[in-house]
Amino acid sequence: AQTVTQSQPEMSVQEAETVTLSCTYDTSESNYYLFWYKQPPSRQMILVIRQEAYKQQNATENRFSVNFQKAAKSFSLKISDSQLGDTAMYFCAFYIQGAQKLVFGQGTRLTINP
Amino acid sequence: DAGVIQSPRHEVTEMGQEVTLRCKPISGHDYLFWYRQTMMRGLELLIYFNNNVPIDDSGMPEDRFSAKMPNASFSTLKIQPSEPRDSAVYFCASALGRRDTQYFGPGTRLTVL
Repeated sequence: AQTVTQSQPEMSVQEAETVTLSCTYDTSESNYYLFWYKQPPSRQMILVIRQEAYKQQNATENRFSVNFQKAAKSFSLKISDSQLGDTAMYFCAFYIQGAQKLVFGQGTRLTINP
Repeated sequence: DAGVIQSPRHEVTEMGQEVTLRCKPISGHDYLFWYRQTMMRGLELLIYFNNNVPIDDSGMPEDRFSAKMPNASFSTLKIQPSEPRDSAVYFCASALGRRDTQYFGPGTRLTVL
């Protein structure tokens, strides 16, 4: 079975701090993609970052970066210089190309405190 | 460019009524997905279309749920009759090609009383 596990249901940090959200996944597939989505109180699902499994280089988008460890099946998200607007639920997901299916974790609720 | 558009944003109905949720994908995208989000089960894929054709509906919970995509710019998800356990947020997402990122709409919050 394809699963995604986010072991931190909730996290809270102070503004400007760096925070890392954990994600592990389980799949026997070799060709897949990994994502982090953000869901603020507005409910909109917003793409944060994407990583192709065949790429060794970790993806980076401004203050957001990932630590992709393929052998360990780990895909953590680091947010640097956190801002109040980063407060949201964060979902880790992976995409099985053959099945055309996004599998989501249960989410981590991140709160950035002023 | 406009993103994925969903309507209505909120729907409150009574048990037994028919509910229709609507989605307009991003122009040019050839994949469309319907998801349901609940506290208990998280985000689940219900059905997806490729070039307006339903490909996998194994996530549709039961026969009360149906989805159509009559053309490349419009899809509906219908629940008939609705039940309180159908209360959830329903998302539509679209993508360009098999390897593309899925872009989500704002969701429809459905409450069935």
